[in-house]
Amino acid sequence: GAVVSQHPSRVICKSGTSVKIECRSLDFQATTMFWYRQFPKQSLMLMATSNEGSKATYEQGVEKDKFLINHASLTLSTLTVTSAHPEDSSFYICSAPRLTGGSTDTQYFGPGTRLTVL
Amino acid sequence: AQSVTQLDSQVPVFEEAPVELRCNYSSSVSVYLFWYVQYPNQGLQLLLKYLSGSTLVKGINGFEAEFNKSQTSFHLRKPSVHISDTAEYFCAVSVNGDKIIFGKGTRLHILP
Repeated sequence: GAVVSQHPSRVICKSGTSVKIECRSLDFQATTMFWYRQFPKQSLMLMATSNEGSKATYEQGVEKDKFLINHASLTLSTLTVTSAHPEDSSFYICSAPRLTGGSTDTQYFGPGTRLTVL
Repeated sequence: AQSVTQLDSQVPVFEEAPVELRCNYSSSVSVYLFWYVQYPNQGLQLLLKYLSGSTLVKGINGFEAEFNKSQTSFHLRKPSVHISDTAEYFCAVSVNGDKIIFGKGTRLHILP
């Protein structure tokens, strides 16, 4: 079945550094991918929509200059947390919809990346 | 805009007892409805989804949900829970299956 991977699964960094998280669709192409953030004991909050070949669309309140998104190919989207601070520590999850017959079938979620900023 | 309300943040249930996790949604257009499960320290897994057709949807691990348009609800049920069902359960909606809006989640505690 369809699989979405994320790398790394866990990262610890110092405050002020930048961290890149990769999201890959392993056996299907995704022109769109989604990035979510989940704080401890809370729900997933959609951060942005990653669009292959065009700029990402950010949800209200999400700083586009802090969370850089690049949809480099039909199977890869990257999220870069720039100048990370402790409040950016969270669980970051990506997802990709698999299209079947022209309509959306199922959204597949990556296993998540736990970011800890010291 | 769409929204999802999960009224219960935590639900304690004795093992082998039935359980219902409540979910209500709000939308001015037709939506797809989902239930996801997140086991401790793991990613999301799709339990079941309602796209169209029969309002009773059966999912994995013995779970089922019923779509009720008049009550804008999509409650999740299981007739007999097991200790392995301990997890966080998220109800979610989507207009086209792409952008998914999640509820705040319900933590299911299975009591021995």
